[in-house]
Amino acid sequence: DAKTTQPPSMDCAEGRAANLPCNHSTISGNEYVYWYRQIHSQGPQYIIHGLKNNETNEMASLIITEDRKSSTLILPHATLRDTAVYYCIVRGGTSYGKLTFGQGTILTVHP
Amino acid sequence: SQTIHQWPATLVQPVGSPLSLECTVEGTSNPNLYWYRQAAGRGLQLLFYSVGIGQISSEVPQNLSASRPQDRQFILSSKKLLLSDSGFYLCAWGRAKGTETQYFGPGTRLLVL
Repeated sequence: DAKTTQPPSMDCAEGRAANLPCNHSTISGNEYVYWYRQIHSQGPQYIIHGLKNNETNEMASLIITEDRKSSTLILPHATLRDTAVYYCIVRGGTSYGKLTFGQGTILTVHP
Repeated sequence: SQTIHQWPATLVQPVGSPLSLECTVEGTSNPNLYWYRQAAGRGLQLLFYSVGIGQISSEVPQNLSASRPQDRQFILSSKKLLLSDSGFYLCAWGRAKGTETQYFGPGTRLLVL
């Protein structure tokens, strides 16, 4: 699976959009980009995933660049409850089941 | 909808004692099941996964073992706990196909003293 690079921490004001970047320059054609988050003392929560098209669900939007070497997770209106560690994971169909979590980005949403 | 349960939520055990953590999934059939461990301040490490009853694959040699006695039940065990077994144990399930999305349980926090 391709390696990902994320900033260690970010801040965001409540009510504003939070844009979390992820670099995955070695991603291959059959690898998906997944985003999870982990709120303190809880299990990771699935947010969204995509292959090459932008994706949106009730939680967030995922923007993947045309060359697929980077992506951005967007939380459109961040709340205090969105404070968490956000993990960007790249995983292909041949990597059976395994999710490799890096250090992620600590997002702090402040009032 | 699908739900995943883990128990106990918290456990304090002495070194050398046995361990049994249980995970059950509701609302789906024939899921892939996973056990991960997260040490303090560290990322998640995959320990075991299972694609069916009685089928267990180990990712990392441990003094831990896993079993899947029923389709939606996954058990993590140890005969003798070590201090290094302390951590946050997470069970996850995914639908049985290639790049399946995994959904995690609430976790069990284990402290070995």
